[in-house]
Amino acid sequence: AQRVTQPEKLLSVFKGAPVELKCNYSYSGSPELFWYVQYSRQRLQLLLRHISRESIKGFTADLNKGETSFHLKKPFAQEEDSAMYYCALSRTGTASKLTFGTGTRLQVTL
Amino acid sequence: EAGVAQSPRYKIIEKRQSVAFWCNPISGHATLYWYQQILGQGPKLLIQFQNNGVVDDSQLPKDRFSAERLKGVDSTLKIQPAKLEDSAVYLCASSRGGGGGFEQFFGPGTRLTVL
Repeated sequence: AQRVTQPEKLLSVFKGAPVELKCNYSYSGSPELFWYVQYSRQRLQLLLRHISRESIKGFTADLNKGETSFHLKKPFAQEEDSAMYYCALSRTGTASKLTFGTGTRLQVTL
Repeated sequence: EAGVAQSPRYKIIEKRQSVAFWCNPISGHATLYWYQQILGQGPKLLIQFQNNGVVDDSQLPKDRFSAERLKGVDSTLKIQPAKLEDSAVYLCASSRGGGGGFEQFFGPGTRLTVL
């Protein structure tokens, strides 16, 4: 069974401080991992996926298969980063489905 | 391109009543998903369509929930009869294909309150 765990419901950081949103997963096969973000009054949208290995809005995430983690990081938080962040997992294949974690609310304060 | 459209945006009903939600995906997207998001939880997939066929409905409570995607475009999700625990946001999403490599685009959601 697929499972995604986000241990923090709320993460509050000061502007300019580093950010790390934790995500751990359990899956027996080879997963695809994603981070989705929902800004206030906006739709849920894809932030980044592990296969792209790219930085989006200064955020990066590395898949660590040994620790079954996919933590989201940013070196310097900005006010506009305040949002709800969801980690999600999908198995490869045409019938794959996204399994989401419970989400972490990131609050960036001055 | 226009995004995923959903209606209504809000719905309040009493338990044991029926309700239906509508979704219009992004043009050309073959795969359509319905998710249920209960307050404080992440979205949970209810059903996935590939064109007008069901790919995955393993988490759909089939005794009360039904969904269809006639003609492989718009989709309707129905609850009959509703229970208190069905109060949630119902999200529709679409993607070009059904694999994990395809980005899912989400609609604004329908917030259902069952009294």
